[in-house]
Amino acid sequence: DTEVTQTPKHLVMGMTNKKSLKCEQHMGHRAMYWYKQKAKKPPELMFVYSYEKLSINESVPSRFSPECPNSSLLNLHLHALQPEDSALYLCASSHAPGTHYEQYFGPGTRLTVT
Amino acid sequence: SQQGEEDPQALSIQEGENATMNCSYKTSINNLQWYRQNSGRGLVHLILIRSNEREKHSGRLRVTLDTSKKSSSLLITASRAADTASYFCATPPAGTSGSRLTFGEGTQLTVNP
Repeated sequence: DTEVTQTPKHLVMGMTNKKSLKCEQHMGHRAMYWYKQKAKKPPELMFVYSYEKLSINESVPSRFSPECPNSSLLNLHLHALQPEDSALYLCASSHAPGTHYEQYFGPGTRLTVT
Repeated sequence: SQQGEEDPQALSIQEGENATMNCSYKTSINNLQWYRQNSGRGLVHLILIRSNEREKHSGRLRVTLDTSKKSSSLLITASRAADTASYFCATPPAGTSGSRLTFGEGTQLTVNP
C-alpha cells in the first residue's frame, strides 16, 4: 500500500469555525509533512513530524495546529482562519526524515474559508 | 526564499514530441527531485538525482544535473496527452534540515493529442 489518504476532500468553513484535516499512511513511514498550496503556485512547507515529534514549524500562524497521534496519522487543526488561508492542503510522508527519501503525497484537501 | 526556478513557465507540444524543462537553483544541494502534479491533485515523485550524479533515466524520463551551473533539466520523450501536468523541481538545500524541500515555481506542460 503506497497511498497517503486525506479527508475531507473539500472543506468550507467560516472564520469562527474549528475543523480538522486528517492524513493517514500505512507504509511505515516515520516522517510526515503538511504543505499549503495556493493556485498556480508551488507547495510551501508548513510542518514536519519526525518519529511522531514536531521537528519543523515554518513560522506558521498558531491558528494552524498540527498533531501526530501515532506513526500513521497526522492531523491539522484549524481555528479562526482567514479567507487568505483558502488553499489546497497537502499531506506527505517519507520513509524517514532526511534528504534522500522521496515524499509520497496525498490528494489534498481543498479548503475554502468564508 | 525561492530555491528553484523553472523555465519555461508553460510549454505546449504535440503528442509524440519531446518536452524539456529546466530548473535552476541558488545554493549547493545534496540532491534534486522532480515531481509531477495533475490539476489540483497531489504530487507524484518522478525521479531523484544526487549531487554526485550527472544523468539519470526512468522510463521516458531523463534528468540531468549540472552542479557547476546549478541547474537541472527534465526531458520527457515521446510525450502523451496523459503527461499534461505541472512539473516541479525540489531541493533540500545543503546545510539545512534534510526534511525541508523547497519547490520551484513549476512548468505547466500541455500535450495536445
